[in-house]
Order: sequence, then C-alpha cells, then structure tokens
Amino acid sequence: DVKVTQSSRYLVKRTGEKVFLECVQDMDHENMFWYRQDPGLGLRLIYFSYDVKMKEKGDIPEGYSVSREKKERFSLILESASTNQTSMYLCASSFRQGVSQPQHFGDGTRLSIL
Amino acid sequence: GQNIDQPTEMTATEGAIVQINCTYQTSGFNGLFWYQQHAGEAPTFLSYNVLDGLEEKGRFSSFLSRSKGYSYLLLKELQMKDSASYLCAVIDSNYQLIWGAGTKLIIKP
Repeated sequence: DVKVTQSSRYLVKRTGEKVFLECVQDMDHENMFWYRQDPGLGLRLIYFSYDVKMKEKGDIPEGYSVSREKKERFSLILESASTNQTSMYLCASSFRQGVSQPQHFGDGTRLSIL
Repeated sequence: GQNIDQPTEMTATEGAIVQINCTYQTSGFNGLFWYQQHAGEAPTFLSYNVLDGLEEKGRFSSFLSRSKGYSYLLLKELQMKDSASYLCAVIDSNYQLIWGAGTKLIIKP
C-alpha cells in the first residue's frame, strides 16, 4: 500500500512564525502536491512538483514556498504565518505516467495560526 | 472559469441506495475521479472514468456522460461506514486536477 506521511496531525503556531510542514512518500512517486482544504471550498492546490528540485505554482501559492531536495520528501513552508493560513493541509503523491493515476493522500495537518 | 458542482449534503438510510451527482464546466476533459473522505482522514481513491458509461466496483458505481458534463456516484446497500464526504475531481486540458467542494453523506439507521 502507498504510504504518504505528514509530520504532524495538529500544529499551533503564532503569527509571523516560519512554519515547516513535511511530507514523505514511500512509493517512488515522481509527482507530489500540497493542498489546503477549507469548508465549502474544496481542495485548493498550493504547489506541486514533478521531480527533484522542481516546483510549480498552483492556484494559491502566495505566502507559501516549497522544497524538494529528495524524491520522497516534499516540504511546505509558510514564510511568515498569518491567521488566514489556518487550515487543513494535505500532501499527495502520484506516478507521473498516465493521467489515470490517482493521487494518494496523507492524513493531513490541521494548522492553527494564533 | 472552471467549475465543479456537487450537492453540499445528502442524507440516506442504511440499506438504501443513494446517487451523488457532479456536474462540471472545465477547459477540456481528460478524466474524472471520485474520492471518499471520512472526517479527519485522508481522501481515498474510489473510481476513475474517462469514457461514457457506468463503471461498477462492488457496492459503488460511477457513471460519466461527457456530452452533458455530468457524472454520478451510486452507492448501494448503504452501511453506516459510508458516512463520509465524496469528492469529485476533473482533469482538464492542461492535465490539472480541478476539485469539487465535496458532498457530505449522512447515513441514518
């Protein structure tokens, strides 16, 4: 079974802090994704990566950055956390080949910014 | 713009059948996914449709009509564990995944 592991299930940080969310997958997937999920809005793509050291902006990249130094690890960074970044953050991965490849998700990190 | 519409919430009875609809307006179409997400958990893959018609997988079936921009997920013999949100997602012409807001399904005994 594919395993996508996010470093924390719950996280509380303060406004202005630099926040790191880590994601590791164990299935040698090329593609990795970071989403945020808010009630009534569905999943919104923040950043994605198709390969090591490669990154592409999604629909809502402002206030975030990412790092992919190794194939299995994709990190999301909140440069200076703000209260409007309080949300559920989901990491996902998939094989590159074939559009029918589903994304596999981690359990999510519920982040609260105070 | 791109848009996917699903009902926000539905209620059904244990043992019954429920149909969750999804309509989409996207720039191109390269397939449609259905995912299940239990509260506080990760979304998990249910089905993928790219051709018109019905795909059956046990108690769950998914239907697609590309000409109508329409899909549905059919759940039979409902069980309490089917209480979850069901997410519809479409792959557009740029091979990007566009997500609906999800339908919360409540199962009553």
